[in-house]
Amino acid sequence: AQSVSQHNHHVILSEAASLELGCNYSYGGTVNLFWYVQYPGQHLQLLLKYFSGDPLVKGIKGFEAEFIKSKFSFNLRKPSVQWSDTAEYFCAVNAASTGRRALTFGSGTRLQVQP
Amino acid sequence: DAEITQSPRHKITETGRQVTLACHQTWNHNNMFWYRQDLGHGLRLIHYSYGVQDTNKGEVSDGYSVSRSNTEDLPLTLESAASSQTSVYFCASSETRLAEFFGPGTRLTVL
Repeated sequence: AQSVSQHNHHVILSEAASLELGCNYSYGGTVNLFWYVQYPGQHLQLLLKYFSGDPLVKGIKGFEAEFIKSKFSFNLRKPSVQWSDTAEYFCAVNAASTGRRALTFGSGTRLQVQP
Repeated sequence: DAEITQSPRHKITETGRQVTLACHQTWNHNNMFWYRQDLGHGLRLIHYSYGVQDTNKGEVSDGYSVSRSNTEDLPLTLESAASSQTSVYFCASSETRLAEFFGPGTRLTVL
């Protein structure tokens, strides 16, 4: 069964620091990849997604992610974080070529940005 | 603006009772999904639907059922609530066959 690993469970950064959150998945076929953000007390919002094409994907709020097929990775980056980026971030993968319709989510990374 | 709403937002019930969680979307999306969120597990798919009269089981479907009688609604029913079903439940909808727009969630406690 496919799995998604988010290596960092809790990350603490100061404002203006650069961010990189790791995401690795186990499936070797064609994948669709997502990053979601959940602000405290709110629902999940889609940050960005990759289906095909340019492996560097730009999303909302200044976030981007790079799909590296050889490393089975889809890491999320932001050059300069703000206090308002404090939230939980979830990576999700769909094994497109299996025909399965489910997203498999990682367990999440809690980001805390200190002013 | 189009949106997804869930009701109730909070529910406390007793073991063995039947519970129905509502999900309503005004995006006019054909595809709708139910997930549960638990600490340490991320989100896991319960059921999904690709259109009216279509329902499919996800990875954690035991003890849950859904029905799709129109485009806008996908109610989730717990036939006989168990303490293991205490969780936060999220409904989602999408134009593609993968969940992309999530509702605000329902926090369910089964005592």
